[in-house]
Amino acid sequence: AQSVSQHNHHVILSEAASLELGCNYSYGGTVNLFWYVQYPGQHLQLLLKYFSGDPLVKGIKGFEAEFIKSKFSFNLRKPSVQWSDTAEYFCAVNARTAGGTSYGKLTFGQGTILTVHP
Amino acid sequence: DTEVTQTPKHLVMGMTNKKSLKCEQHMGHRAMYWYKQKAKKPPELMFVYSYEKLSINESVPSRFSPECPNSSLLNLHLHALQPEDSALYLCASSLTLAETQYFGPGTRLLVL
Repeated sequence: AQSVSQHNHHVILSEAASLELGCNYSYGGTVNLFWYVQYPGQHLQLLLKYFSGDPLVKGIKGFEAEFIKSKFSFNLRKPSVQWSDTAEYFCAVNARTAGGTSYGKLTFGQGTILTVHP
Repeated sequence: DTEVTQTPKHLVMGMTNKKSLKCEQHMGHRAMYWYKQKAKKPPELMFVYSYEKLSINESVPSRFSPECPNSSLLNLHLHALQPEDSALYLCASSLTLAETQYFGPGTRLLVL
């Protein structure tokens, strides 16, 4: 079974600071990787995803993430955060079968609350 | 359009009530999901439907009964719930089981 670990529970930054949120997963096979964001009072939204190809993926609002297979990691980065980035961020994994399909079991990390001070 | 809609937004029910949650998508997705999210916790998968057939039940108590009447609709029937079942219930859909899941806004359920 897959599992996901997010290293930081709560990160507090000032505007314009750089952000890196850690995510590690545990699964021996191929995975699809996601970062979702939940802004206060809003529903879960997709930030970015990695299925295959270039391990550096770019998402919405200037976010990017790098898949490092050897480290089972998919860390989220943003060079300069804004107050509007205040939200909870979830890393998630969907394991793929040997045939390339999936059971659809999306497993989430515990989430990281990001607070950005103006 | 990546919209998943859920009704009602809020629901308060007693432990002897029967109620249903509804989820709808018109994106042509063939996989639909129910998740439960407690406060300050990540979503936890409850059920997975693929092509209108139940493919995963994550050992959910029988007081939760899912139903997928067609490819656009997913219901969650609730009966004899416990106070600890109070949570945000999220619906999601994806084109296939391997594709990106898109989430609805959720139904916030309070069981008294």
